[in-house]
Amino acid sequence: QQQVRQSPQSLTVWEGETAILNCSYEDSTFDYFPWYHQFPGESPALLIAIRPVSNKKEDGRFTIFFNKREKKFSLHIADSQPGDSATYFCAASTGGNYKYVFGAGTRLKVIA
Amino acid sequence: NAGVIQTPRHKVTGKGQEATLWCEPISGHSAVFWYRQTIVQGLEFLTYFRNQAPIDDSGMPKERFSAQMPNQSHSTLKIQSTQPQDSAVYLCASSKTGGGYEQYFGPGTRLTVL
Repeated sequence: QQQVRQSPQSLTVWEGETAILNCSYEDSTFDYFPWYHQFPGESPALLIAIRPVSNKKEDGRFTIFFNKREKKFSLHIADSQPGDSATYFCAASTGGNYKYVFGAGTRLKVIA
Repeated sequence: NAGVIQTPRHKVTGKGQEATLWCEPISGHSAVFWYRQTIVQGLEFLTYFRNQAPIDDSGMPKERFSAQMPNQSHSTLKIQSTQPQDSAVYLCASSKTGGGYEQYFGPGTRLTVL
């Protein structure tokens, strides 16, 4: 029940395109949904996060779309750049116990 | 402000030896989390402390793993009788409590068990 599913496993886009990464969950008690990116040899770094009071959160080129009814959320990276090439992880946590449940990751490659 | 500090960055042990990993959270953060990352299992939660008290250790292998937080400035993860399957990157993260969900990760300790 405490699972977060992430797709696709890998994604290749051209520079300038919008990359779309998807996640879904089952546990309706989850109330915080962050996205992290991780570059090779580095640790995960927080990119953007959303709480279910909103269905959209934007930060520059990065946007989270959240669908509470379908228990899905996605990360859209607009105008993708080669420097965005990394592994992206979605996660979820529940208020009161803040541990993260992570998705399996999406390896994004942006081709110039 | 320094981020989360983890030492050592790399540790190599022989099978059956003990490994102790250290974490210093960001100053002012009162929640500390330990995760493990492998290619096969991905990012797995191990344990977490809030205000130095253990809150949830549901991810810890019970027999050989233990964690402590003796003061607000550091936490340790100890693995006894290490096995090759313990090889992983062990990540420590910290966050504020009281609704502060954002977790900030340290650089990790890469443990290799030969």
